[in-house]
Amino acid sequence: LAKTTQPISMDSYEGQEVNITCSHNNIATNDYITWYQQFPSQGPRFIIQGYKTKVTNEVASLFIPADRKSSTLSLPRVSLSDTAVYYCLVVSVGGSQGNLIFGKGTKLSVKP
Amino acid sequence: KAGVTQTPRYLIKTRGQQVTLSCSPISGHRSVSWYQQTPGQGLQFLFEYFSETQRNKGNFPGRFSGRQFSNSRSEMNVSTLELGDSALYLCASSLVGVGSDTQYFGPGTRLTVL
Repeated sequence: LAKTTQPISMDSYEGQEVNITCSHNNIATNDYITWYQQFPSQGPRFIIQGYKTKVTNEVASLFIPADRKSSTLSLPRVSLSDTAVYYCLVVSVGGSQGNLIFGKGTKLSVKP
Repeated sequence: KAGVTQTPRYLIKTRGQQVTLSCSPISGHRSVSWYQQTPGQGLQFLFEYFSETQRNKGNFPGRFSGRQFSNSRSEMNVSTLELGDSALYLCASSLVGVGSDTQYFGPGTRLTVL
């Protein structure tokens, strides 16, 4: 199962773009990259998922290079409410079963 | 549509006791998975149930068990509680299952073992 590595913490200011990079060197062919956001005392919330190239939704963009050994979550124009822990996951699917392996996450602090 | 609900939200137990936590998935979701979150180990996958069958399991001792009912509601049981079992226990539901589908998490049950 692919393990992920991401920075422990990041600081930013309101209105800036934030890019969080995740390394997943052992990603397998059938694996997807998924990002979740978690606020204190709440369960994680799905942000975005991708397989390769670029995926964009109303919340974020996900950039995945051709070798898929890393990915970058991009949050445009962050606000104070984006202060949270962001988890990068490699979702391994084996037949009808699957595993979710959460790393330590990146604690993003957005300052005014 | 109502989200994932977990009961109770907070629980205090003593070592050696057992505990049962409950999770009600989003209507129509057949997969329920459970996770343990601690400051030291982070979020760890416990197991997944789909249509009343456990189909995937994380690396936890047999003291941790679960089941799923025909209405997709799930319970998790921890027997012979240890201090290290103090954690936030999260459940998540999805239509198809872990790995294939977005997981919707509940607010969690905060278990404290004294």
